[in-house]
Amino acid sequence: AQKITQTQPGMFVQEKEAVTLDCTYDTSDPSYGLFWYKQPSSGEMIFLIYQGSYDQQNATEGRYSLNFQKARKSANLVISASQLGDSAMYFCAMREAYNNNDMRFGAGTRLTVKP
Amino acid sequence: EPEVTQTPSHQVTQMGQEVILRCVPISNHLYFYWYRQILGQKVEFLVSFYNNEISEKSEIFDDQFSVERPDGSNFTLKIRSTKLEDSAMYFCASSEQGLQETQYFGPGTRLLVL
Repeated sequence: AQKITQTQPGMFVQEKEAVTLDCTYDTSDPSYGLFWYKQPSSGEMIFLIYQGSYDQQNATEGRYSLNFQKARKSANLVISASQLGDSAMYFCAMREAYNNNDMRFGAGTRLTVKP
Repeated sequence: EPEVTQTPSHQVTQMGQEVILRCVPISNHLYFYWYRQILGQKVEFLVSFYNNEISEKSEIFDDQFSVERPDGSNFTLKIRSTKLEDSAMYFCASSEQGLQETQYFGPGTRLLVL
């Protein structure tokens, strides 16, 4: 069963504008963690932001914020003030407490920032 | 800032040959992982390793695969007899704890099986 769904294969955004990358997840475990990673064309996986299922506040890290809507099981990534260097693949991932070693990734969204 | 390193960055091998991919996790991390990403596809979990043994593995991680921590720093993935479909980027990751701790990824090894 698909645990992580990223419905946007590709997104475009104008430089300096904000963009939201969608992620929905499926779990029956009350304890889980949600992660976003960035993969530039060079191929490495760069950790961006983490949200725990029990966290009361939405996670923020610089220009990245996570719009966590637990009831809807969504964990959208918001990038503010897009920069050309933000052009990359973005992957949403989840780890469940009962299955705590197996991180499942979504299919990814390719973001292109236009000058 | 500490980081996960992987060697080699690229490896080309003939079908049927054995390959060993090497990783040096972040030094105070206790949990280690291997993931695979076939070109253009999503990242897939292969195996996790804690306390010198495999703690979990996926259906991809069959008898052709093995992992080892031969010393206090290296963590290796061995593919005994490579197949064409093993061509992929292989990522090593480590985390300080298990559960929901962030996993930090290495830069990956791109394996091409001919």
